[in-house]
Amino acid sequence: GENVEQHPSTLSVQEGDSAVIKCTYSDSASNYFPWYKQELGKGPQLIIDIRSNVGEKKDQRIAVTLNKTAKHFSLHITETQPEDSAVYFCAAYSYYGGSQGNLIFGKGTKLSVKP
Amino acid sequence: NAGVMQNPRHLVRRRGQEARLRCSPMKGHSHVYWYRQLPEEGLKFMVYLQKENIIDESGMPKERFSAEFPKEGPSILRIQQVVRGDSAAYFCASSPPAGYNSPLHFGNGTRLTVT
Repeated sequence: GENVEQHPSTLSVQEGDSAVIKCTYSDSASNYFPWYKQELGKGPQLIIDIRSNVGEKKDQRIAVTLNKTAKHFSLHITETQPEDSAVYFCAAYSYYGGSQGNLIFGKGTKLSVKP
Repeated sequence: NAGVMQNPRHLVRRRGQEARLRCSPMKGHSHVYWYRQLPEEGLKFMVYLQKENIIDESGMPKERFSAEFPKEGPSILRIQQVVRGDSAAYFCASSPPAGYNSPLHFGNGTRLTVT
């Protein structure tokens, strides 16, 4: 089955700096990779996703890159702000037949942005 | 356009009691997933259901845990004879009928405390 590794587990940056979170996955059949942001006391919220037919996707200050050959993908946040502080999870869609499957998550990265 | 609704938000049970967690998916969604999150840890897949069908329950303990998603009404995660180790946040997510590669939308979870 799919296994997702995420690094680092904690990340502290100064406001305005960039933050990068990296993930690797094991199942070469996976082709959908979402990123979620979880604030304290809330459920994970989808912030960006990427499919294997593209190598990079951007949405304002957030970008995600995917290297299918190496089986790794990364989240990049530029010009970080205090409200970016949260736990970020990467995930890979694991298939088990036909079009059905489920998301396997990394263990999360706690991002702290210091003013 | 309500999101995924989970209730109760907080649930306290004594050891040996039963816990019932409810999840109403987003309008138009017919796929429901349950995940468990322990403090400072990632999301662990438990079960994937469609209306009246359990598609994958490989992440759910064989004893005491059960899940259903009836034709009418919310999905229910049921934990019988709870133990302290069941204390965790339980998140429900839903996706559209297409299923395949569709983003999962999460609720804000039920925090179960077993005393």
